[in-house]
Amino acid sequence: ETGVTQTPRHLVMGMTNKKSLKCEQHLGHNAMYWYKQSAKKPLELMFVYSLEERVENNSVPSRFSPECPNSSHLFLHLHTLQPEDSALYLCASSQDRLNYGYTFGSGTRLTVV
Amino acid sequence: AQSVSQHNHHVILSEAASLELGCNYSYGGTVNLFWYVQYPGQHLQLLLKYFSGDPLVKGIKGFEAEFIKSKFSFNLRKPSVQWSDTAEYFCAVNSLRGGSNYKLTFGKGTLLTVNP
Repeated sequence: ETGVTQTPRHLVMGMTNKKSLKCEQHLGHNAMYWYKQSAKKPLELMFVYSLEERVENNSVPSRFSPECPNSSHLFLHLHTLQPEDSALYLCASSQDRLNYGYTFGSGTRLTVV
Repeated sequence: AQSVSQHNHHVILSEAASLELGCNYSYGGTVNLFWYVQYPGQHLQLLLKYFSGDPLVKGIKGFEAEFIKSKFSFNLRKPSVQWSDTAEYFCAVNSLRGGSNYKLTFGKGTLLTVNP
């Protein structure tokens, strides 16, 4: 366990479904991130939350909707996804302003059918 | 915008061979540099990091990396690899801007396969 827990580990959903990914960190960090990991592509930063405020949205389609109710929890709400959205979605956390690197969760493997 | 280039997509070595994985970045300012490793089916783990000081940094499991500022490089090395080093390795760069440094840019990753 890394201290960053993601659920579910695997998710298969249809293009008309609505689902949510959950991330929880027990490290006392105050910044959380969603990354998308696709085959043969760099990790893509999707969203950054610092002190529960969204500080960055990297041109992510509106079918992805993040939510950060507190500094320990981060959600990614999914609706009307496309097959090309199939990927590993990684959550990470860090202590803002410090350079100790990020702590990553194990990811949610998402398949859109 | 900063970018990170990892030159090799897939490296195949035999056990005991020496390893060097290349990483170059584009940002010209002050940077913090990281190598992450992802073993099959596992999460990304921090292997080593450079902030300042000695440009040769040592990480876990016998890995080291050298920061060469003039070449914008941060290559990862290990003198003798083991089968258990089979994994995907990611270089990442965090540029210092405005006092908040919470955005890492990753390379595409290099898959290392070590044959016994």
